[in-house]
Amino acid sequence: GESVGLHLPTLSVQEGDNSIINCAYSNSASDYFIWYKQESGKGPQFIIDIRSNMDKRQGQRVTVLLNKTVKHLSLQIAATQPGDSAVYFCAENREGSGNTGKLIFGQGTTLQVKP
Amino acid sequence: DGGITQSPKYLFRKEGQNVTLSCEQNLNHDAMYWYRQDPGQGLRLIYYSQIVNDFQKGDIAEGYSVSREKKESFPLTVTSAQKNPTAFYLCASSPLGTYNSPLHFGNGTRLTVT
Repeated sequence: GESVGLHLPTLSVQEGDNSIINCAYSNSASDYFIWYKQESGKGPQFIIDIRSNMDKRQGQRVTVLLNKTVKHLSLQIAATQPGDSAVYFCAENREGSGNTGKLIFGQGTTLQVKP
Repeated sequence: DGGITQSPKYLFRKEGQNVTLSCEQNLNHDAMYWYRQDPGQGLRLIYYSQIVNDFQKGDIAEGYSVSREKKESFPLTVTSAQKNPTAFYLCASSPLGTYNSPLHFGNGTRLTVT
């Protein structure tokens, strides 16, 4: 399954399939990007980050791709599991200062995993 | 077990009352932040502090106040001047000047003002 842009709020995928969540960021000067996962009633949980000097970074079952030309970020989740169901936010740091806390967040995509 | 503690989890207040949300961290992070989240929305920055006794306004500081008297603590006061105070409030912390440790969040306080 795949979401497009910032305006598709929900992505529904079958358990075991790969998921792709997309995000468009706003500031060409941003040099640090993060994906967070938020479960209902909890704070966002860090998934993976990437600096602007990289195009791709892999974690455990997750990959982040950065396309600076079109200011686009994506999160790929391999073999999606029911525990992956949550809201996923992309975020960019706003000043390129190395300060990782002053972030601009997207509106989020809800990932629903069907058993 | 290091982390950020926000209390209480749920808070109810009458309109016109000030209310203070607590945030404590034992991660030894220099910087602390308050974000606000509305239903179906991303997070927006209210205030942040990079050092004790100093803090700066974020994007939506009007109607809020903070203090940073200790490194571990960054309480947020929602004043009666805040027009739409009902929201989910998230406190976070991070080290400064490094890309190696991203922003770490608490589990939030849900404030309802009626």
